[in-house]
Amino acid sequence: GAGVSQSPRYKVAKRGQDVALRCDPISGHVSLFWYQQALGQGPEFLTYFQNEAQLDKSGLPSDRFFAERPEGSVSTLKIQRTQQEDSAVYLCASSPGVAGSREQFFGPGTRLTVL
Amino acid sequence: QQQVKQSPQSLIVQKGGISIINCAYENTAFDYFPWYQQFPGKGPALLIAIRPDVSEKKEGRFTISFNKSAKQFSLHIMDSQPGDSATYFCAASASGTYKYIFGTGTRLKVLA
Repeated sequence: GAGVSQSPRYKVAKRGQDVALRCDPISGHVSLFWYQQALGQGPEFLTYFQNEAQLDKSGLPSDRFFAERPEGSVSTLKIQRTQQEDSAVYLCASSPGVAGSREQFFGPGTRLTVL
Repeated sequence: QQQVKQSPQSLIVQKGGISIINCAYENTAFDYFPWYQQFPGKGPALLIAIRPDVSEKKEGRFTISFNKSAKQFSLHIMDSQPGDSATYFCAASASGTYKYIFGTGTRLKVLA
């Protein structure tokens, strides 16, 4: 596809369930980012990959959050034992990663609702 | 020091008017400042971005003004249209980290 895609677009989970959110970046993009966007707020950084290497995970709010990008393309954000405060839109962005290019291209997001 | 402060929180402008949104930062390591537009249910879309070696950048109806000494930058939307009604986010990033630090957003409504 031409842009970043995310699936599912909507996810409803009961408190305590595990969820997995998928991101397909733009083909050939080296860098991949995950952000969390609470209602009415700006996106907040969660984690960053360069190819398959997770270079920054400083924004992950707890050890219940885990992200991977095993082959340097598709990425999965996993949240274990979901809590109500995890309800948010999870945005994925990719970037070419080449020198001089800092643009990030965002997907439509996955809206997670934890009941 | 990692914050980006954005104002106003909301803005109402008449069609054809100028919309102005302001952002301020503290971290002098920031060297890339993009603006994003977000419609409900959609992901943010890049509008325009600037680096601190220039004071102004214009693309169509959108202009970024950058004041390095004041650590402030602003987005001007000229000839605002109802289709511009959306939420706008400023952001900043530092070379070597690349993650974006976003402002809290400005909800713009352009009246027909």
